[in-house]
Amino acid sequence: EEQLVQSGAEVKKPGESLKISCKGSGFSFNNYWIGWVRQMPGRGLEWMGIIYPGDSDTRYSPSFQGQVTVSADSSIKTAFLQWNSLKASDTAMYYCARRELGDRHGLDVWGQGTMVIVTS
Amino acid sequence: SYELTQPPSVSVSPGQTASITCSGDKLGHKYACWYQQKPGQSPVLVIYQDNQRPSGIPERFSGSNSGNTATLTISGTQAMDEADYYCQAWDSSTAVFGGGTKLTVL
Repeated sequence: EEQLVQSGAEVKKPGESLKISCKGSGFSFNNYWIGWVRQMPGRGLEWMGIIYPGDSDTRYSPSFQGQVTVSADSSIKTAFLQWNSLKASDTAMYYCARRELGDRHGLDVWGQGTMVIVTS
Repeated sequence: SYELTQPPSVSVSPGQTASITCSGDKLGHKYACWYQQKPGQSPVLVIYQDNQRPSGIPERFSGSNSGNTATLTISGTQAMDEADYYCQAWDSSTAVFGGGTKLTVL
């Protein structure tokens, strides 16, 4: 079965750092783009960024450029989303999802989501 | 930056046809995708490349894209189709999502 499994929920304080993960299985991880999507409570989907683990090519949404870091370790088939200094406004569900090469494809496999709560 | 606009809500009676629109500048020149999200669940891709259904998606889901508007059509809508629906397109390697449409089946 092709799947993405994300790390568990996190409760952090403002100013703390955090790195969440997304592990692929059942497919050739290096041959797909892996993207990250934010969903704040009761709100819609927001695109954050995407990485191609095969060569680490990374693209960011202008809204998230400089706010987060997307990375991947192809040897363990895992992508990461990282914050250096969390804010309360980072409280949200974060999803990873994969996409084949080419703009005609959608995000066809999604992780189960990682809930991040930032509270003092 | 590129924007996609969806109606906040659409209502449909069971067995009828639901249409959800997504508008964007020259959207017909891009490929449109659609996602279904039920409460507490991850989104599910229901349409890609304007009108293609992934494996496992019922035939009652169809899509079109022309001019400035993409449309998701659900024929013979069932109660299980009640969900939030999001359109999405790629713009310069960046995904753009519409604001989402809540489909109510009543």
